[in-house]
Amino acid sequence: EVQLVESGGGLVQPGGSLRLSCTASGFTFSSFEMNWVRQAPGKGPEWVSYISSSGSTIYYADSVEGRFTISRDNAQNSLYLQMNSLRAEDTAVYYCAKQYCDDGKCYGAWFGPWGQGTLVTVSS
Amino acid sequence: EIVLTQSPDTLSLSPGERATLSCRASQSVSRYLAWYQQKPGQAPRLLIYDASNRATGIPARFSGSGSGTDFTLTISSLDPEDFAVYYCQQRRNWPRGTFGQGTKVEIK
Repeated sequence: EVQLVESGGGLVQPGGSLRLSCTASGFTFSSFEMNWVRQAPGKGPEWVSYISSSGSTIYYADSVEGRFTISRDNAQNSLYLQMNSLRAEDTAVYYCAKQYCDDGKCYGAWFGPWGQGTLVTVSS
Repeated sequence: EIVLTQSPDTLSLSPGERATLSCRASQSVSRYLAWYQQKPGQAPRLLIYDASNRATGIPARFSGSGSGTDFTLTISSLDPEDFAVYYCQQRRNWPRGTFGQGTKVEIK
């Protein structure tokens, strides 16, 4: 069974930093593209960042470009999100999400499954 | 940025009834649209991708249709476990996709 477990969330002051981790199991992590998606309280989800299976291709949402860094360690089956210069509007539950695959075909565009999420609160 | 507008915001129905949820895009997204279900305290779960394909393990009572700017998620007969919030998502400008604001399906 595919499992994604996020950790590293918490309360941080504006301008501070946090590093989120996502530990994967139940699948060959190194073969799949991964994403971070966040959801502010009472809002719809928002895509944050993408990383290819090898880590060679990375994209960010405009809202986090230059402040967040996505990375992965395929040997450790882990995905990371380094978040710097945090703002109040970054407050959200952060999910890691695997690219969706169905019947041997994988889709970079769709997310599934997702982890349970980790809450990041940016407040003084 | 492509904006997705879902309607209605809330749908009040009884178990066994048919639910019809709408998602409208501010510009064409072709068929690059998905639907997710989210229950309280849980992560979203993929239901439909590429506008009309059911994801693995999703019951046949869920169906998706549409293309271009207008899309529909239909739940043919609501099961008690279907009361949740539903989001549409577009990936026309992958990877910079966007989600709608959600439709809550609540028990009447």
